[in-house]
Amino acid sequence: NAGVTQTPKFQVLKTGQSMTLQCAQDMNHEYMSWYRQDPGMGLRLIHYSVGAGITDQGEVPNGYNVSRSTTEDFPLRLLSAAPSQTSVYFCASSYSTGSGSPLHFGNGTRLTVT
Amino acid sequence: QQQVKQSPQSLIVQKGGISIINCAYENTAFDYFPWYQQFPGKGPALLIAIRPDVSEKKEGRFTISFNKSAKQFSLHIMDSQPGDSATYFCAASRPHGGATNKLIFGTGTLLAVQP
Repeated sequence: NAGVTQTPKFQVLKTGQSMTLQCAQDMNHEYMSWYRQDPGMGLRLIHYSVGAGITDQGEVPNGYNVSRSTTEDFPLRLLSAAPSQTSVYFCASSYSTGSGSPLHFGNGTRLTVT
Repeated sequence: QQQVKQSPQSLIVQKGGISIINCAYENTAFDYFPWYQQFPGKGPALLIAIRPDVSEKKEGRFTISFNKSAKQFSLHIMDSQPGDSATYFCAASRPHGGATNKLIFGTGTLLAVQP
């Protein structure tokens, strides 16, 4: 099983450019989410989805868009990259939307915005 | 607003020693408290978790101690090994109207176990 797959692993963008971070899971999980990890700030929730066609905002949604057209895929779009979006981005999924269902994380995308 | 406070930020322990990481929370509606372990270049992975109806949970060398009245919980790693060197995150979640699994993470503790 591949689990949660994120691409690319590394990306460098110039300020103002747009891009899409890809996330796919092969576990038929209902719940998917995006986190960003910054030093001293832990993991902060950007957006999440409880099923295909349903998305909602997390703690830090500004500057990001998501969509969930299939159960497997949950791409994260940066509309106009800013240096403040330099971070490591993690996609995660869980079988159930209920509290207590373990999150399965991908290995992250390290994004640098210059 | 940081709803889960974690300390220390970093920790150095000798091989065979006990590693202790502490977390405190504010929201009494939280009902699930997991710990995640993250190795360099990898995503976090669930290590152990507890619900507030028990005061302690042990899995091998890893133990969570939970103090509901103080709104605190801690991770104890007994007989720490160099292979335990990683970043540890505590987290908390609560039921939402849409039954969402929204975890709020602490800021992380970088543990180094010296041989």
